[in-house]
Amino acid sequence: QITLEESGPALVKPTQTLTLTCTFSGFSLSATGVGLGWIRQPPGKALEWLALVYWDDDRRYRPSLRSRITVTRDTSNNQVMLTLTNMDPEDSGTYYCAHTSRTALWAFDIWGRGTGVTVSS
Amino acid sequence: QSEVTQPPSVSGTPGQRVTISCSGSSSNIGSNTVNWYQQLPGAAPKLLIYKTNQRPSGVPDRLSGSKSGPSASLAISGLQSDDEADYYCAAWDDNLNAYVFGTGTKVTVL
Repeated sequence: QITLEESGPALVKPTQTLTLTCTFSGFSLSATGVGLGWIRQPPGKALEWLALVYWDDDRRYRPSLRSRITVTRDTSNNQVMLTLTNMDPEDSGTYYCAHTSRTALWAFDIWGRGTGVTVSS
Repeated sequence: QSEVTQPPSVSGTPGQRVTISCSGSSSNIGSNTVNWYQQLPGAAPKLLIYKTNQRPSGVPDRLSGSKSGPSASLAISGLQSDDEADYYCAAWDDNLNAYVFGTGTKVTVL
């Protein structure tokens, strides 16, 4: 059974750096054809894809965030970290991590419950 | 950034069939498969349809997906009160080299 859980600060100040951790179980991010994505949702708004890291450590980022976003893997601890620098109130929202795979043609098939982040001074 | 648009809302009565449209472009829906997600109030999204028309285990066959050119649609037949949710289409965009979600559609059961 695949499970994912996001964790991190609920409140950050403008210009600070946000680091979120996705802790997962039930799969290995080292296994061929597996990936993990980050998606966020501002309050009352649509889903926004942020990043995707593949089993081979290849990564894809949302173009508008490319200068601010980094995703790193800790395969030994089954964790993936999302770092977003220079936080702005518009970055507030719920952040989700989700499993994906080549089998599903990279659809996000299992999601974490999400973690809320508010950017405010 | 959304390059994919959906109607803000769709409504129907119990038992009715409703469809949600998803309009993209040649660089996303036109050249890649489409996924659909359901988000119940206060919950995380759930994958409903992948590879344009495939249902994950547990998703009822009264939900179906299709695509024609740069547009896709999700049909819900036998509408139920449990179907009240937000629905998002999504696809990879080759030009942006990014995954794009649609603008989302709220389904209301009257």
